[in-house]
Amino acid sequence: QVQLRESGPGLVKPSETLSLTCTVSGGSISSVYWSWIRQSAGKGLEWIGRFRSSGSANYNPSLQSRVTMSMDTSKNQFFLKVTSVTAADTAVYYCAREGQWLVLDLWGQGALVTVSS
Amino acid sequence: DIQLTQSPAFLSASVGDRVTITCRASQGITTYSAWYQQKPGKAPKLLIYAASTLQSGVPSRFSGSGSGTEFTLTISSLQPEDFATYFCQQLYSYPRTFGQGTKVEMK
Repeated sequence: QVQLRESGPGLVKPSETLSLTCTVSGGSISSVYWSWIRQSAGKGLEWIGRFRSSGSANYNPSLQSRVTMSMDTSKNQFFLKVTSVTAADTAVYYCAREGQWLVLDLWGQGALVTVSS
Repeated sequence: DIQLTQSPAFLSASVGDRVTITCRASQGITTYSAWYQQKPGKAPKLLIYAASTLQSGVPSRFSGSGSGTEFTLTISSLQPEDFATYFCQQLYSYPRTFGQGTKVEMK
């Protein structure tokens, strides 16, 4: 079955760029929207945005100026970059597949990213 | 942004209890809503979509209802594995938003 796994540095310094990869196994990432969501104690679940292989994307306006999503279909991977991070970006970051009715029907296990010097 | 307010924030219940959680939206979202269950250290799991459609593999003791601005998640007979935190989500507009969560604890 399709599985998602997030990977990337667990510690990022303030003002630097957070980079995460979501690797999809057991299925193709083409023609489907893939999303990033983060969860922190202070803000609960926060939808970051979604992206598909055509280049179509929707981002949360609260993060849009700092967020980029992209994809490498040859590797079945999609990516998240958040620039100029602060402690407020410390969270567990999840990647997820958007299924029918636009819901997040499949999630990765999550990756904790801490922003600290 | 559409705000989702869940009530209660915490709920103490016993195995076998009927449990109802409410999610209110700051504006109408027709039936573009979903419910997720999250256990500690795990990712959220989809339970209900389109307000009342049970995701494949989810036990039938879970049900959802509502439209417009008020939605409910009901567990007809709480089982030990149901102690968790539950979130609603709206899929009507961007950015997608979630409720703050309802933690169901053992009484």
